[in-house]
Amino acid sequence: EVQLVESGGGLVQPGGSLRLSCAASGFTFSTSWMHWVRQAPGKGLVWISRVNGDGGTTNYADSVQGRFTISRDNAKNTLYLQMNSLRPEDTAMYYCTRALSYSGSDWGQGTLVTVSS
Amino acid sequence: EIVLTQSPGTLSLSPGERASLSCRASQSVSSTYLAWYQQKPGQAPRLLIYGASSRATGIPDRFSGSGSGTDFTLTISRLEPEDFAVYYCQQFGSSPLWTFGQGTKVEI
Repeated sequence: EVQLVESGGGLVQPGGSLRLSCAASGFTFSTSWMHWVRQAPGKGLVWISRVNGDGGTTNYADSVQGRFTISRDNAKNTLYLQMNSLRPEDTAMYYCTRALSYSGSDWGQGTLVTVSS
Repeated sequence: EIVLTQSPGTLSLSPGERASLSCRASQSVSSTYLAWYQQKPGQAPRLLIYGASSRATGIPDRFSGSGSGTDFTLTISRLEPEDFAVYYCQQFGSSPLWTFGQGTKVEI
C-alpha cells in the first residue's frame, strides 16, 4: 500500500523558515517524480514544486521560486520542502504527491503551515 | 499559462441523479495531460481520472471522463451519498507545471 506522511508544519512568523518532510513507503520512491501542492484555507489547489527521481531536476511555481527548495533523500525514502522568507500568503495545507501519468496518483494527508505574527 | 475554468461552481443534486461537471481550458490541452480529482472536507484530493478518460485504480465505473481540446467533462452516472464533494480538474503544462481549476462542489 502506498503511504505518504507529511510532517514539519506549524506556526511561524513572517520571514521565518520551516522544513517539511514527506515519508514515503509502498512504492519505488527513487524512481518516482514527486510534487508539493498547497491549499490555502477554504481555497483551491495550487502546485508548488516538483523533483525527479534522482533529485537532479527541480521546478517551482513563480510564487515560491527563490524562497522554497525541494529535495529528496532516496536512502530514507523522504521528500523535503525547505521554505524560507515565509509570508502570510504561504499559509496553507501542504500536500506531497507522487506523480504518475502527469497527475498526482497518491497524496499524503497534508501538513498545515500558518504564517502569522 | 493555461487557465482552467470549471462550471458550475456548485451543483445541487440528489442521490441517484446524474452529474455533469465541465472544465474549460483557455488553450488547447492534450487529453493525455488532463486529470480529475475528488476532495472531501478534511481530506486530501483523490485521483479519479487521468488522461481525460482513464479511471484511476479502484475508482468505480460510475465515474467517467471525456472531452478534448479545450472542453472536458466529468460525469457521475448515478450519485451515491459518498460522491458529494468538491471536484477539481488539472492539466500538466509548462509553467506552472500543474494548473488546477477552481473546483465544482457537488452538494445534496
